[in-house]
Amino acid sequence: AQKVTQAQTEISVVEKEDVTLDCVYETRDTTYYLFWYKQPPSGELVFLIRRNSFDEQNEISGRYSWNFQKSTSSFNFTITASQVVDSAVYFCALTLGDSGAGSYQLTFGKGTKLSVIP
Amino acid sequence: GAVVSQHPSWVICKSGTSVKIECRSLDFQATTMFWYRQFPKQSLMLMATSNEGSKATYEQGVEKDKFLINHASLTLSTLTVTSAHPEDSSFYICSAKGTPFEQFFGPGTRLTVL
Repeated sequence: AQKVTQAQTEISVVEKEDVTLDCVYETRDTTYYLFWYKQPPSGELVFLIRRNSFDEQNEISGRYSWNFQKSTSSFNFTITASQVVDSAVYFCALTLGDSGAGSYQLTFGKGTKLSVIP
Repeated sequence: GAVVSQHPSWVICKSGTSVKIECRSLDFQATTMFWYRQFPKQSLMLMATSNEGSKATYEQGVEKDKFLINHASLTLSTLTVTSAHPEDSSFYICSAKGTPFEQFFGPGTRLTVL
């Protein structure tokens, strides 16, 4: 079975600080996909990134960057120069990359609540 | 991008009544949809996988007679909470399967049972 661990339950930072949200995953499959979602207070999940298990390249999108390391089974998310609008709950998730009955099912971590203080 | 809608966005009902929540894929056909439940300050928990034209597959511990799922068309899945009780109050989120290996999420429905 798959498992996603987000050890940080809540993080508070002052605006403009950098912050890293940790995500550690467990799976025996060699093909899988990792995701990060943002859930603002409104509740709607906002897709941030998808990464497949064969692509370990780090990615940067504006103030967001992701560090995928298969050696440590981690997929960490960094926000640079945080802003108040970044305040939300962030979820890391995993799905297997096969076409079987369990395909597409997402296993979510428990989420990290980020509060950016002005 | 793919858009998934949910209706209603929030609902308040009396204990013992049934509530239907609709999940629609607006600009694509979804053969598979998923229903999640999220309690306050908790993660999303998959309730069931809904496949068009067939019975839903429920996760362990989810009462299929209480949470009725119907996926009658390629753009619509419904979740009916039957004989709702206060403990059913929660945030219900649906998603539709996209490609590759991606889900598009609806905005969620907040159910409050009095």
